Amino acid sequence: GDSVTQMEGPVTLSEEAFLTINCTYTATGYPSLFWYVQYPGEGLQLLLKATKADDKGSNKGFEATYRKETTSFHLEKGSVQVSDSAVYFCALSDLSNQGAQKLVFGQGTRLTINP
Amino acid sequence: NAGVTQTPKFRVLKTGQSMTLLCAQDMNHEYMYWYRQDPGMGLRLIHYSVGEGTTAKGEVPDGYNVSRLKKQNFLLGLESAAPSQTSVYFCASSRLTSGRAPGTQYFGPGTRLLVL
Repeated sequence: GDSVTQMEGPVTLSEEAFLTINCTYTATGYPSLFWYVQYPGEGLQLLLKATKADDKGSNKGFEATYRKETTSFHLEKGSVQVSDSAVYFCALSDLSNQGAQKLVFGQGTRLTINP
Repeated sequence: NAGVTQTPKFRVLKTGQSMTLLCAQDMNHEYMYWYRQDPGMGLRLIHYSVGEGTTAKGEVPDGYNVSRLKKQNFLLGLESAAPSQTSVYFCASSRLTSGRAPGTQYFGPGTRLLVL
């Protein structure tokens, strides 16, 4: 079945450092890819998405490019802030035959940014 | 709009007890989903619904039942709770979309369940 693998956490960086969180996937067909963020005590929020190969999703300074040849969707940010501290989930979308979007998640990567 | 709300926020059960988790959304979304989140495993889909009166199994449906009697509500039931069902449960909803373009899933704040 479909699966998503993220880099092991936790990740601790200093403010203004460069961030990369690796994500690779295994899927049949052509899934859409997502990054979700979970702040402490909250539900997940969509951070960015890409629906086809070579698409780049971006939001709040974060970027990720859908790389079909390497089956990857790595999350990057050039200069992180303390407010970026959260758990980040990579996910792919497997559509059911009725159109429901069944998300398959990676295990999550906890990011802590120190001032 | 309140978005997606979940009731209760936290619950402690004894093994064998039953309970129902309620999810409500006010965005008129067709699709609704229940996930469980366990440490080191991300979120896993339990059941989902493509519309009022319809439900389907996800990745980990055993031990759970669901009902979608009204479009805005999606209930998750545990008939006989087990310690393995200790988890954080998230509900999500998304709108109907055309073709293969996925609608964004909006998540509730979660329900923390502890089964002793």
